[in-house]
Amino acid sequence: NAGVTQTPKFRILKIGQSMTLQCTQDMNHNYMYWYRQDPGMGLKLIYYSVGAGITDKGEVPNGYNVSRSTTEDFPLRLELAAPSQTSVYFCASRGEGGSFYEQFFGPGTRLTVL
Amino acid sequence: QKEVEQNSGPLSVPEGAIASLNCTYSDRGSQSFFWYRQYSGKSPELIMFIYSNGDKEDGRFTAQLNKASQYVSLLIRDSQPSDSATYLCAGNTGNQFYFGTGTSLTVIP
Repeated sequence: NAGVTQTPKFRILKIGQSMTLQCTQDMNHNYMYWYRQDPGMGLKLIYYSVGAGITDKGEVPNGYNVSRSTTEDFPLRLELAAPSQTSVYFCASRGEGGSFYEQFFGPGTRLTVL
Repeated sequence: QKEVEQNSGPLSVPEGAIASLNCTYSDRGSQSFFWYRQYSGKSPELIMFIYSNGDKEDGRFTAQLNKASQYVSLLIRDSQPSDSATYLCAGNTGNQFYFGTGTSLTVIP
């Protein structure tokens, strides 16, 4: 199993550009999450999904959009990038049953907006 | 707003000592609490979770939860240089998780 994969690993955007951060998991997990982590800070929840076709806002959703058309994929869309969106973005997934509470994180995407 | 506050450190302990990491939380409706370890430039990985008052032990790690005081702690016994990392405390309410800013731990050989 690859676990949770994210692409790209790094990206530099210009102000006003748009991009999609990709996240895929192969563990058949229903729950998926997008977080951002600013330098020296904890993780802030952007959006989450409890299953295909269902998404909900987290703590800091402004400037982002998500979709969940399949169990495996949970892309994060940035529209009109701003310098405030410079951050490391982590995608995570979690299952049910014995591993219910454990979130498995992808390696992250480091985004710089200039 | 749900918040988790951690003693920001940095914390330094000699090898073999006990490292004590603490956090407090604001939402009494929080159900469970988690300790993640994050090495520099890497993603967080779960060390332990706890949802009942009291202690929970796993190897060299002990998590403690006091719901009356809204306090969570992590003790690391026999600290090793490989334990040097940032430790994130997190809580959840339903399907949402919220994280503290982390405590940087350095174990000195």
